[in-house]
Amino acid sequence: VQLVESGGGLVQPGKSLKLSCSASGFTFSSYGMHWIRQAPGKGLDWVAYISSSSGTVYADAVKGRFTISRDNAKNTLYLQLNSLKSEDTAIYYCATPGGDWGQGVMVTVSS
Amino acid sequence: DIVLTQAPLSVSVTPGESASISCRSSKSLLSSKGITSLYWYLQKPGKSPQLLIYRMSNLASGVPDRFSGSGSETDFTLKISKVETEDVGVYYCAQFLEYPFTFGSGTKLEIK
Repeated sequence: VQLVESGGGLVQPGKSLKLSCSASGFTFSSYGMHWIRQAPGKGLDWVAYISSSSGTVYADAVKGRFTISRDNAKNTLYLQLNSLKSEDTAIYYCATPGGDWGQGVMVTVSS
Repeated sequence: DIVLTQAPLSVSVTPGESASISCRSSKSLLSSKGITSLYWYLQKPGKSPQLLIYRMSNLASGVPDRFSGSGSETDFTLKISKVETEDVGVYYCAQFLEYPFTFGSGTKLEIK
C-alpha cells in the first residue's frame, strides 16, 4: 500500500486549496478513506471520511468549508479546502481504515 | 463526542523494561457487532503514525509481539514489553466507533 499526498502550500486566510492523495497497492475503489490532520506540535485530529460508495462525514470544525471526494478511475482521494482559517494550518494525512497513512502534506494558512 | 483520555502524558523507560499506557473512553467502544473499536498508533519522530493495535487487542501486520493491547468497554491499556530504543515516539489511542472519530492527546515515550 502506498499513499502519496500533494497539493499543500502557503495560502492566505479565506482562500482555497485542493489536496490530492494518490493510492496504489490495493483496490482503492473498495475502501473508505480518511483525511486526518496534525497542527504543528499538536495531536491528531480527524477531518473527514468518504466511504467506498462516496458517502461523506465531516468534523464539525470543517463542515461546510471542506469537501472530501474520490475518483476511483484515478485511484485518487481529494480534499477541497475553502474559506481557510489560520487554525487549519496543519499536516494533512490521508489514511485507510486498515491503518496505512501517507507521508502527509503541509498546509499553512497565513497572510 | 467521545473523549479519549490518555495517561501518562510522558513515560521514560530503560531499555529492556516494560511500559504501559492507559486510554480511558467517555463512552463504551463496544459495538452492536461485538467489536471494540479502539486502536493504538505510534508516531515516531518526523514520521507518519503507524498502526500498532486494532480492535483493542489485535496486533497489526509487521508489529513486534512486544506490543499488546487489552481492556474493557471503556478502559484500555497498551503494554510494551522489553522496550527498545526504536519504540520512542508518541503513542495515540483512537476510536472509530462513531463520528466524529477521535484521538487521545498522546503519550510520549522516551528512553532513559
